[in-house]
Amino acid sequence: AQTVTQSQPEMSVQEAETVTLSCTYDTSESDYYLFWYKQPPSRQMILVIRQEAYKQQNATENRFSVNFQKAAKSFSLKISDSQLGDAAMYFCAYWDRNYQLIWGAGTKLIIKP
Amino acid sequence: ETGVTQTPRHLVMGMTNKKSLKCEQHLGHNAMYWYKQSAKKPLELMFVYNFKEQTENNSVPSRFSPECPNSSHLFLHLHTLQPEDSALYLCASSQDRGQGTGELFFGEGSRLTVL
Repeated sequence: AQTVTQSQPEMSVQEAETVTLSCTYDTSESDYYLFWYKQPPSRQMILVIRQEAYKQQNATENRFSVNFQKAAKSFSLKISDSQLGDAAMYFCAYWDRNYQLIWGAGTKLIIKP
Repeated sequence: ETGVTQTPRHLVMGMTNKKSLKCEQHLGHNAMYWYKQSAKKPLELMFVYNFKEQTENNSVPSRFSPECPNSSHLFLHLHTLQPEDSALYLCASSQDRGQGTGELFFGEGSRLTVL
């Protein structure tokens, strides 16, 4: 069965610095998607970035980028120039053509002013 | 109205009460989901509806009863709940359960406290 592991329950970073959140997953599939979702306090969960497994190029969205290592089954999120508004729970998720969306337990990101 | 809207945002109920959570999406999606979110745990999928038909029930206790009258509305009826049912209940929608990229659009959640 597929699993998603986020080994960092909490991370903190100084404003304007860079932080990397870790995610590993386990699957026997070759075609799948990986996601990072952000859930700010008392606000709705939103998609931050998406990676398609068949694409070797790492996805980027402005200050957010991923390091996708398919062989190692690793999918980390890098946030550059951290801002106070980046404070949130971040969830890594896996989706494949079996329509199973598997979630990690989340990482709480704290931004220090 | 935009996105996915959930009401109420907060709900406190006794174990003998009956209440309902409501979710409405204005995205034209065909699939809707109920998730349970507890602290420090992965999101737990409860129910999935695709084109108004329930396609998944992940061994959810019968004290939770979903209803999907149309593709835009989803309810979760609650009765004789237990204190361990206290959690944030998230509604989400997607274009179609069987297509697309798996991206979900979430509501802000209903914080449920069972006394």
